[in-house]
Amino acid sequence: DTGVSQNPRHKITKRGQNVTFRCDPISEHNRLYWYRQTLGQGPEFLTYFQNEAQLEKSRLLSDRFSAERPKGSFSTLEIQRTEQGDSAMYLCASSFTLGQGWSNEQFFGPGTRLTVL
Amino acid sequence: AQSVTQLDSHVSVSEGTPVLLRCNYSSSYSPSLFWYVQHPNKGLQLLLKYTSAATLVKGINGFEAEFKKSETSFHLTKPSAHMSDAAEYFCVVFPSGDDKIIFGKGTRLHILP
Repeated sequence: DTGVSQNPRHKITKRGQNVTFRCDPISEHNRLYWYRQTLGQGPEFLTYFQNEAQLEKSRLLSDRFSAERPKGSFSTLEIQRTEQGDSAMYLCASSFTLGQGWSNEQFFGPGTRLTVL
Repeated sequence: AQSVTQLDSHVSVSEGTPVLLRCNYSSSYSPSLFWYVQHPNKGLQLLLKYTSAATLVKGINGFEAEFKKSETSFHLTKPSAHMSDAAEYFCVVFPSGDDKIIFGKGTRLHILP
């Protein structure tokens, strides 16, 4: 399977714990995106990388959230001191995009469902 | 600022009948508009996209959408629903300038036998 993969698929944690999610994009894709999706809502943009550079961060991404893409391949999203409001599906997507455009298709992974107790 | 509104949170149709999922957008610029579908436990999949070429866009699985600038709409249609079309559908506005990508809240499509 050469699609976008995310691990773990499910994560249950206690409030105050740190969690880390991983996303492996399609190998030739230079862009990688993170989204958050809560029940009954569409995905909300969090951040994106072009190669290893993090180019944009949404104001939804508080100081407790950090994302990295150290070698321009896989990415990790870490949430520190989790809160119950962090419970959501975290989606990763990748695309091959030249320049600054957004109109190329993004390929999505299956998501990581986080439950904070 | 850009925004997107999906007018129905749930739509139910009988198998074999037409599907209409409604989407209206607000944009200061000529937008790029997409429809994505999300099946349970699967990733979002692109159905079709409009990027200022032909206003009638054909996508996968028999879906199509028409960009109507005068109505600021990008409704998704399919002539004949199939059971496998049951899923959540998202209308998406892609940004120009500094705007962020915006997903609608989604429309859940139910197919009745």
